[in-house]
Amino acid sequence: EDQVTQSPEALRLQEGESSSLNCSYTVSGLRGLFWYRQDPGKGPEFLFTLYSAGEEKEKERLKATLTKKESFLHITAPKPEDSATYLCAVQAGRGSTLGRLYFGRGTQLTVWP
Amino acid sequence: NAGVTQTPKFQVLKTGQSMTLQCAQDMNHNSMYWYRQDPGMGLRLIYYSASEGTTDKGEVPNGYNVSRLNKREFSLRLESAAPSQTSVYFCASSELTNRRVFFGSGTQLSVL
Repeated sequence: EDQVTQSPEALRLQEGESSSLNCSYTVSGLRGLFWYRQDPGKGPEFLFTLYSAGEEKEKERLKATLTKKESFLHITAPKPEDSATYLCAVQAGRGSTLGRLYFGRGTQLTVWP
Repeated sequence: NAGVTQTPKFQVLKTGQSMTLQCAQDMNHNSMYWYRQDPGMGLRLIYYSASEGTTDKGEVPNGYNVSRLNKREFSLRLESAAPSQTSVYFCASSELTNRRVFFGSGTQLSVL
């Protein structure tokens, strides 16, 4: 059973067409939620960390938000260079344990001119 | 700063061969990890090292061994490669365990 579910699996947008990617999670004891960008043939590149519901982070055309059950990555007026796979990961664990990092399967975003 | 460096970038093995993937980080991070990534699946943790001198199994450890050589280096060994180990392998590191994790560029491994 997936602990972290990302939707949609793939998204095609025209340049300038804003949209959102979703990351929902079922883990208990959330310690942090992370967004990564992965380009073909490369390792994931860190984008954001969110720690508590209501928190928001922004970077250029990207804005990440967090609720108690899900996170959204909003992309405003995307450009072709935003095309990549976006991964969500959740750190969970209670007490003094180090917890685990659960990764979603990613959303493959394509932005065409 | 190179970040996380892993070698080789590509490798082809025959079933039963052995090999070691090398990884080094220059960020003075305490924790290091080995993940595998397969099409249609999320990143899965093979082994991790929370700090120098310790290693622990992750989600899919069977068929692999690791060595935390020092604070900088963390290697992954396949003793007898199997076709099911065909995958892209990523080494990663973080200052605090399972917090902001930095990834290497990956090793594409094919086992024939």
